[in-house]
Amino acid sequence: EVQLVESGGGLVQPGGSLRLSCIASGFTFTNYWVHWVRQTPGKGLVWVSRINIDGSSTVYADSVRGRFTISRDNAQNALYLQMNSLRVEDTAVYYCTRGPPDYSSFDSWGQGTLVTVSS
Amino acid sequence: DIQMTQSPSTLSASVGDRVTITCRASQSIKSWLAWYQQKPGKAPNLLIYKASSLQSGVPSRFSGSGSGAEFTLTISSLQPDDFATYYCQQYSSNPLTFGGGTKVEIK
Repeated sequence: EVQLVESGGGLVQPGGSLRLSCIASGFTFTNYWVHWVRQTPGKGLVWVSRINIDGSSTVYADSVRGRFTISRDNAQNALYLQMNSLRVEDTAVYYCTRGPPDYSSFDSWGQGTLVTVSS
Repeated sequence: DIQMTQSPSTLSASVGDRVTITCRASQSIKSWLAWYQQKPGKAPNLLIYKASSLQSGVPSRFSGSGSGAEFTLTISSLQPDDFATYYCQQYSSNPLTFGGGTKVEIK
């Protein structure tokens, strides 16, 4: 069974940092690009970032570029999102998702982890 | 960035109804479009990819059509399990973008 399990969410003050993790199982992790997508409570979905198979190529949404860093550890089947200089508007549920190499839809999603940025 | 516009934002329907949701892209995305269903408190679930290909395990009452900049998701006979929010997503170019969602409610 394909599984993506996120962790690391929580409450953080504006300007603070948080690191999200996503552990993959049930499939060959190195066959997929992996992405982070976030959803503001009660609102829609926003793509955040993606990383290619070997980690050599990353892309970010304008709203997080320079503050967030995506990375992966293929030996651990793990995806990470280091979030620095957090803002109130970064408050959301963060999902990790997978897709085949290149631009793609997302055929499996984690359950999400809630990040709340508030003083 | 490619903007994705869904209509309607809310739809009231009854079990057995045929339901159609529209998604328009701000420029041509060829057939690089996906549809997702999301229920409260759950992650989205892929229904359709490449505009009209049914994801494995998804009931055949769901279908997608369109190309270029205009797309539709059709549910041929609405079932109780289908009351949810539906999103389109383009994957023609970065940043990948989603529509604002269509909530399908019980009439």
